[in-house]
Amino acid sequence: QKEVEQDPGPLSVPEGAIVSLNCTYSNSAFQYFMWYRQYSRKGPELLMYTYSSGNKEDGRFTAQVDKSSKYISLFIRDSQPSDSATYLCAMRGIYNQGGKLIFGQGTELSVKP
Amino acid sequence: EAGVVQSPRYKIIEKKQPVAFWCNPISGHNTLYWYRQNLGQGPELLIRYENEEAVDDSQLPKDRFSAERLKGVDSTLKIQPAELGDSAVYLCASSFRARTDTQYFGPGTRLTVL
Repeated sequence: QKEVEQDPGPLSVPEGAIVSLNCTYSNSAFQYFMWYRQYSRKGPELLMYTYSSGNKEDGRFTAQVDKSSKYISLFIRDSQPSDSATYLCAMRGIYNQGGKLIFGQGTELSVKP
Repeated sequence: EAGVVQSPRYKIIEKKQPVAFWCNPISGHNTLYWYRQNLGQGPELLIRYENEEAVDDSQLPKDRFSAERLKGVDSTLKIQPAELGDSAVYLCASSFRARTDTQYFGPGTRLTVL
């Protein structure tokens, strides 16, 4: 079993839809949770960064962390065709392994105009 | 501010040939990472450098992979000899510090081994 599980999709939604992306994890030592966006033929770029449990909002994007359930989510409101990309969740502990990031396999999102 | 620079962007080689990838991290970033991303998967760490010291190379296949970071700035990742299963995107990332700081990724080198 992988430490981080993510539904690979692909996920196709119409423009303006609310998108929900999710990851589950098994390592209770994870404290930092991230969402990266990766456009085709590009490197991942950091989208959201959350420490421990709770919600964080940035424009149309909201990240949620539920450590009791070992479950994280990314919500995209009013989705746009420019949001079409692969979304990777990533997480790491505080002290173990020097901050090594563990990634999910990514969810491919397509927003249709 | 310039981001992480990688070259080449694409490389096609025959199996058993050697190949090398180069990375220039963001200026001032002490920590440098090499990741491998297989098709349809997330990146997996190969090696992490703190300045010029390799502090985590547990996932690096040492029989054929090697890496160096001279003077604590640029880094080179080498594969010799390449195998078909090495076809992947090799990503370089950097951060100011390892434990808490954001990792910034380069565009990657897409390797195809025929």
